[in-house]
Amino acid sequence: AQKVTQAQTEISVVEKEDVTLDCVYETRDTTYYLFWYKQPPSGELVFLIRRNSFDEQNEISGRYSWNFQKSTSSFNFTITASQVVDSAVYFCALSEVMDSSYKLIFGSGTRLLVRP
Amino acid sequence: KAGVTQTPRYLIKTRGQQVTLSCSPISGHRSVSWYQQTPGQGLQFLFEYFSETQRNKGNFPGRFSGRQFSNSRSEMNVSTLELGDSALYLCASSRILAGGMNTGELFFGEGSRLTVL
Repeated sequence: AQKVTQAQTEISVVEKEDVTLDCVYETRDTTYYLFWYKQPPSGELVFLIRRNSFDEQNEISGRYSWNFQKSTSSFNFTITASQVVDSAVYFCALSEVMDSSYKLIFGSGTRLLVRP
Repeated sequence: KAGVTQTPRYLIKTRGQQVTLSCSPISGHRSVSWYQQTPGQGLQFLFEYFSETQRNKGNFPGRFSGRQFSNSRSEMNVSTLELGDSALYLCASSRILAGGMNTGELFFGEGSRLTVL
C-alpha cells in the first residue's frame, strides 16, 4: 500500500540556519507524483512543488530546494537561510491513481519552528 | 484569480446533528476533493468529484456524503455527528487534463473547522 513517512515530528532552528525535512515513501506504482505542501496557522495547505517519478533532477526555487532519490524512495526538502515566516507544518504527499483521478496520500507532517 | 473558498470557516454542532460544508473551487477547476484533518489521523482523503459525479471515495462511513453542482461548486454533508468527526475539513480543486484525470496538483482552501460537542 502507498505510504508516506515523515519521521521528524517537530524541528526547531534559529533564523538563518539551513534545515532539511525528510520524506520517505512507499509505492508499487511505476508512475507517480510527489508533493510538498506548507500549512501555516491559517489552515490552508499551500502547494510548494510537484515532482514526477521520472524526473530525478533536483530542483531549487529561491531558498527552497528538493532532493528526489528514487533509489532510496526519498524526497527531501531543504530550506536555506530559514526565516521566521517559514514556521509552519510541512507535508509530503504521494499521488495514488484511483479511477481516472489522483488522490494524495499525506505524511503526518513536520512542524518547523524558526526562532528569531 | 480567487482561491478555493470554503464556508463556514468555523462551526460548532452537537452529537447527532448534521452539517453541510460548502466549497467553491478556483475558476476553471472542475475537480473537487475533500480531505479530513485530525490530530490523530492526519490528512485523509474523503472523496473526489468531477462533472457532478463522485469518482472516488475514501474509507469513511456512509454518514459522509457530498455532491457537486454544474458550476463545479461542491458540498459535503455529515449526518448523525459523532465526537470523532471534530476536524478541519479541507476542500481542494484541480484542473482536469484532456483524458479526464485531475492533474494531482491540488489547491486547497482554508478549511472548515468543525467542533462536535
